Amino acid sequence: QQPVQSPQAVILREGEDAVINCSSSKALYSVHWYRQKHGEAPVFLMILLKGGEQKGHEKISASFNEKKQQSSLYLTASQLSYSGTYFCGTEIRDSSYKLIFGSGTRLLVRP
Amino acid sequence: NAGVTQTPKFQVLKTGQSMTLQCAQDMNHEYMSWYRQDPGMGLRLIHYSVGAGITDQGEVPNGYNVSRSTTEDFPLRLLSAAPSQTSVYFCASSYGLAGRQYEQYFGPGTRLTVT
Repeated sequence: QQPVQSPQAVILREGEDAVINCSSSKALYSVHWYRQKHGEAPVFLMILLKGGEQKGHEKISASFNEKKQQSSLYLTASQLSYSGTYFCGTEIRDSSYKLIFGSGTRLLVRP
Repeated sequence: NAGVTQTPKFQVLKTGQSMTLQCAQDMNHEYMSWYRQDPGMGLRLIHYSVGAGITDQGEVPNGYNVSRSTTEDFPLRLLSAAPSQTSVYFCASSYGLAGRQYEQYFGPGTRLTVT
């Protein structure tokens, strides 16, 4: 059930762009993206709903392909503060709706 | 608003001991969840609740019990601690609508070590 994230890790120079991908084998009702700094709790970035609605961080964009059960997070003109681990959470339906997270993508932005 | 609070922050248990991790939220959220985080494994769902009196199992429920008697509280009980339960535990809450959930707010976590 756990979605697959790629890449597992990426290193960027400040100002470079990155794409993080999330893929699921199950039908998705929404996709969430969170960022976690070392020693802290995950923080919400964005939610993408079936039908195209999106809510979240103004400076971060993402896409959701419902048919392919895939989502991508686009980080443009990266800043040092973007460093951390990014998790996608996929909302699936079992006995009820639940959010299942991927194993994360570690992002390091260097000066 | 305090948001989502968890106690304790740190705990060391011996194998076989039981304990309860506390989680409370003051945002009137319907949806609450417990996750455990292990290195390289991401966040794995243990149990979740879509409202008071309703709970369901996640990906890794064995060895844990939950109950939801109020909207605010969602305690996680370890029945007989094992070293494999050494982990960081996060509680989260979110606004829900018709069983769906939206932005999740996470508590600060409880770091549990079982020896």
